Amino acid sequence: AQTVTQSQPEMSVQEAETVTLSCTYDTSESDYYLFWYKQPPSRQMILVIRQEAYKQQNATENRFSVNFQKAAKSFSLKISDSQLGDAAMYFCAYRSAKAGGTSYGKLTFGQGTILTVHP
Amino acid sequence: EPEVTQTPSHQVTQMGQEVILRCVPISNHLYFYWYRQILGQKVEFLVSFYNNEISEKSEIFDDQFSVERPDGSNFTLKIRSTKLEDSAMYFCASSSLSGNYGYTFGSGTRLTVV
Repeated sequence: AQTVTQSQPEMSVQEAETVTLSCTYDTSESDYYLFWYKQPPSRQMILVIRQEAYKQQNATENRFSVNFQKAAKSFSLKISDSQLGDAAMYFCAYRSAKAGGTSYGKLTFGQGTILTVHP
Repeated sequence: EPEVTQTPSHQVTQMGQEVILRCVPISNHLYFYWYRQILGQKVEFLVSFYNNEISEKSEIFDDQFSVERPDGSNFTLKIRSTKLEDSAMYFCASSSLSGNYGYTFGSGTRLTVV
């Protein structure tokens, strides 16, 4: 079974600074997808960024980028120019790319990292 | 942008009572899911549903839980006899057949069992 580990329960950053959230995962599969979700106090789950394992290029979405190290099974999220609205719980998640079967579509989440942004 | 709609947003129930949590997935999505998040903890998979049947369920999803797609639009989670430890946020999600992207999550139902 796949596992996802976020070793930083809490992180903080000054507004306009850069912060990196860590995530490692364990899988025997070669094809999969990785995601970062943001959960603000409203508790809505918002997709921040996604990465396909077969792509070597790191995904980027505006101020959010990832450092995907497939061999090391590491998937960190970098937030540049942090804003007060970035304050939230961030979850790393794994999804198998195997079509069909019994595990298709299930997301496995890490424990989450609470990000505080200081003005 | 299409949304996944969950109702109610908050439900309080007495221990032992049955509850039904409702979800309207995105109309052209074919895979449906329920997740649970106990306050302050990680999000846990409960069940996935495809082609009118359960495709996978976790060990949390015991006989007290059931899911149903009673018509072409709704997707429900029923808890037959609620326990205090069922108090959590319940998220519904749906995804398209291609599934190579993340899901769309609903805004959740906060269930409080007293």
